[in-house]
Amino acid sequence: GAGVSQSPSNKVTEKGKDVELRCDPISGHTALYWYRQSLGQGLEFLIYFQGNSAPDKSGLPSDRFSAERTGGSVSTLTIQRTQQEDSAVYLCASSKGGAGGYTFGSGTRLTVV
Amino acid sequence: DAKTTQPPSMDCAEGRAANLPCNHSTISGNEYVYWYRQIHSQGPQYIIHGLKNNETNEMASLIITEDRKSSTLILPHATLRDTAVYYCIVRVFPYNQGGKLIFGQGTELSVKP
Repeated sequence: GAGVSQSPSNKVTEKGKDVELRCDPISGHTALYWYRQSLGQGLEFLIYFQGNSAPDKSGLPSDRFSAERTGGSVSTLTIQRTQQEDSAVYLCASSKGGAGGYTFGSGTRLTVV
Repeated sequence: DAKTTQPPSMDCAEGRAANLPCNHSTISGNEYVYWYRQIHSQGPQYIIHGLKNNETNEMASLIITEDRKSSTLILPHATLRDTAVYYCIVRVFPYNQGGKLIFGQGTELSVKP
């Protein structure tokens, strides 16, 4: 597609449940990034993929968070045993790599109740 | 990566040029300067980036001082739709690698009628 697509756009889940967030990057973009933004806060880096490998997972806040990317394209961010502090907008971005800019998706707003 | 310093907020009159400053006094020779903006409730949007030379595109101009310790993003004719948080980021991008961008708190620009 023309842009980065994320689904669902909104997700409400009960505390303790697992959630999966999906990102479809721009076709041909080899680099993919996940960020999150809590209400009124800045963007927090979570993980970076180059192709299917993740050379930088340094931003994942706990072992409840994991992500994978298959076929060098779609990526899934999984949060296990969700907690209320996981409530945030989760943003995905992709780029061709190199010095070019990223393109961000519109995000998934996750609310843990 | 070098740290950046931006004013937390600025106002600009509609139709006038908006000049957003950024200090990056510890920037190293291979670090690029990037600008993104985030309009409320949307994902960040890439604006422009540069290494040494001034850059211009359809959205903005980027002026980098000769010593590269600071830069200015110029929106030549600000409109109400330019109201957003503007982020200045410095990052090294080794050839053919993606690498993450670290977002600070940015400058909240308010364009007023």
